Amino acid sequence: EAGVAQSPRYKIIEKRQSVAFWCNPISGHATLYWYQQILGQGPKLLIQFQNNGVVDDSQLPKDRFSAERLKGVDSTLKIQPAKLEDSAVYLCASSLAWNTEAFFGQGTRLTVV
Amino acid sequence: GQNIDQPTEMTATEGAIVQINCTYQTSGFNGLFWYQQHAGEAPTFLSYNVLDGLEEKGRFSSFLSRSKGYSYLLLKELQMKDSASYLCAVRLDPSGTYKYIFGTGTRLKVLA
Repeated sequence: EAGVAQSPRYKIIEKRQSVAFWCNPISGHATLYWYQQILGQGPKLLIQFQNNGVVDDSQLPKDRFSAERLKGVDSTLKIQPAKLEDSAVYLCASSLAWNTEAFFGQGTRLTVV
Repeated sequence: GQNIDQPTEMTATEGAIVQINCTYQTSGFNGLFWYQQHAGEAPTFLSYNVLDGLEEKGRFSSFLSRSKGYSYLLLKELQMKDSASYLCAVRLDPSGTYKYIFGTGTRLKVLA
């Protein structure tokens, strides 16, 4: 079974630039999550989709972050404009609606300079 | 608010047993998960508890007490490859959709 795919693996941008990350969840997984993991910390939930609807985006900095999940499959997370404190690993995860665990992708390591 | 606490770092010797504790204060509890995360890699699922008691899976066991808001992960016969961060995550179900909240993780160093 293919896992959660993310791209790119690494990205370096200057502050105030824009960046986008892509995630392809495991086939059939209705729930998709984007997490931000700052070095030395646990993952922090940014946004959660159920199919193509948002069920939780309470911790998403909406003035600069946006995410969409068209057709309830792939998802993109965008940051515009980026700040230095956005440097982190952005993890995408997916789960079946009624299953027990979330499966994570390899993540995208973003460095903002 | 939701809060999950774990020790920041632990050190143990190869072949030994180590217990990593996790305490939580949350609402809408629907299960507790342990994930392993090697440096620079994605978290991988280790264990899951939704009822009180001990779940055993090879060298790893996890315990849950819902009344105490407490869990631990027990690693036996430690190997060098067990050096990693161990993340405690609580699954919440406040309104019919699952949500995972993670602790900050415990960095385990296994020494030869």
